[in-house]
Amino acid sequence: GQNIDQPTEMTATEGAIVQINCTYQTSGFNGLFWYQQHAGEAPTFLSYNVLDGLEEKGRFSSFLSRSKGYSYLLLKELQMKDSASYLCAGYDSNYQLIWGAGTKLIIKP
Amino acid sequence: IAGITQAPTSQILAAGRRMTLRCTQDMRHNAMYWYRQDLGLGLRLIHYSNTAGTTGKGEVPDGYSVSRANTDDFPLTLASAVPSQTSVYFCASSDGAPNEQFFGPGTRLTVL
Repeated sequence: GQNIDQPTEMTATEGAIVQINCTYQTSGFNGLFWYQQHAGEAPTFLSYNVLDGLEEKGRFSSFLSRSKGYSYLLLKELQMKDSASYLCAGYDSNYQLIWGAGTKLIIKP
Repeated sequence: IAGITQAPTSQILAAGRRMTLRCTQDMRHNAMYWYRQDLGLGLRLIHYSNTAGTTGKGEVPDGYSVSRANTDDFPLTLASAVPSQTSVYFCASSDGAPNEQFFGPGTRLTVL
């Protein structure tokens, strides 16, 4: 079957670093996305990985290991505005996006 | 219009009523999607359209229908609403896979 797993909730401190993990099982693989979703709002794009390795974009980085079916989103220098849900989604062989349930990140001062 | 819009923002509907959720994009994207988002579950694809004039079924299509008469509009119709269709509905568009999807602001639908 096809599945995307990520932790339900995480808590971190303002100014710290947090890593949100995602494991996936899809029929075929055509890339993995990370989206950010603030409460009551629409998801917004953060990153897309199709090759193994780390991609850095400012305070946010995303890592992919295709052999392990694993990705993580790394957030540095956490700010209160980073409190949101982070959604992991993978493209299957039919180019349909399979979504995880999301990780709610709570930032404490 | 800038991006993708949805209407209405929210709606309370009696069970058995017919309802159309509207979605319009001005980015000239070929592909459009309808998702529902329920607490504790990931976004689930209802229907999609890879280009104007074509539509396809997603993971949870039962009770819903769509049409794609032109590039910009992709309405979602609930023929006879049931309480289990209470959800937040997001419309999205993309320039085809594997490009990122852009989401509308969502419609919060309550079926009583």
